[in-house]
Amino acid sequence: ETGVTQSPTHLIKTRGQQVTLRCSSQSGHNTVSWYQQALGQGPQFIFQYYREEENGRGNFPPRFSGLQFPNYSSELNVNALELDDSALYLCASTLLADYNEQFFGPGTRLTVL
Amino acid sequence: AQSVTQLGSHVSVSEGALVLLRCNYSSSVPPYLFWYVQYPNQGLQLLLKYTSAATLVKGINGFEAEFKKSETSFHLTKPSAHMSDAAEYFCAVSVGGSQGNLIFGKGTKLSVKP
Repeated sequence: ETGVTQSPTHLIKTRGQQVTLRCSSQSGHNTVSWYQQALGQGPQFIFQYYREEENGRGNFPPRFSGLQFPNYSSELNVNALELDDSALYLCASTLLADYNEQFFGPGTRLTVL
Repeated sequence: AQSVTQLGSHVSVSEGALVLLRCNYSSSVPPYLFWYVQYPNQGLQLLLKYTSAATLVKGINGFEAEFKKSETSFHLTKPSAHMSDAAEYFCAVSVGGSQGNLIFGKGTKLSVKP
């Protein structure tokens, strides 16, 4: 148990729709990162939020966006879903300080039909 | 740019045998290196991390890894495999500190035979 929760566990959407995934970080963690893990691959960094501001972004298009809230929760929004967006989406939270590790949630499995 | 290569997408060992999972990294700056384990339908759990202190790092569940700068390697080992070790293992390098963007390898699936 990492203290990081994600909802929903599974989600099925159709191409072109929009989706919102949610993450609840450990209390006190001021940083959250989102990763996309396609089947049979390692996770890929989408973006990171620190104190409610985007603090780094991977190679993902603008239709992937996020929000971080003061209550240690965050969202990943994906617009105009494509079939290739089908993946496990992981969030990871940490307290931004040297040597602190990131704690991962169990993930949300998104299937786009 | 940082990158990670895991050699062998699938490793199979017998229960009680040595586990060796290979990871090589590329980094232009001193790296932070990690090993994570993922059980089916679960998120990632940190096994161990290297953050420029001791080169031999001990982690949970009897795993350890040795940072070898000359070989740009960070291989994961366990002296004696247990059935419960069967899972997928990911090596990762961090960009900008231990809480920065993690770059993962493609993973190695470990099978343990009775």
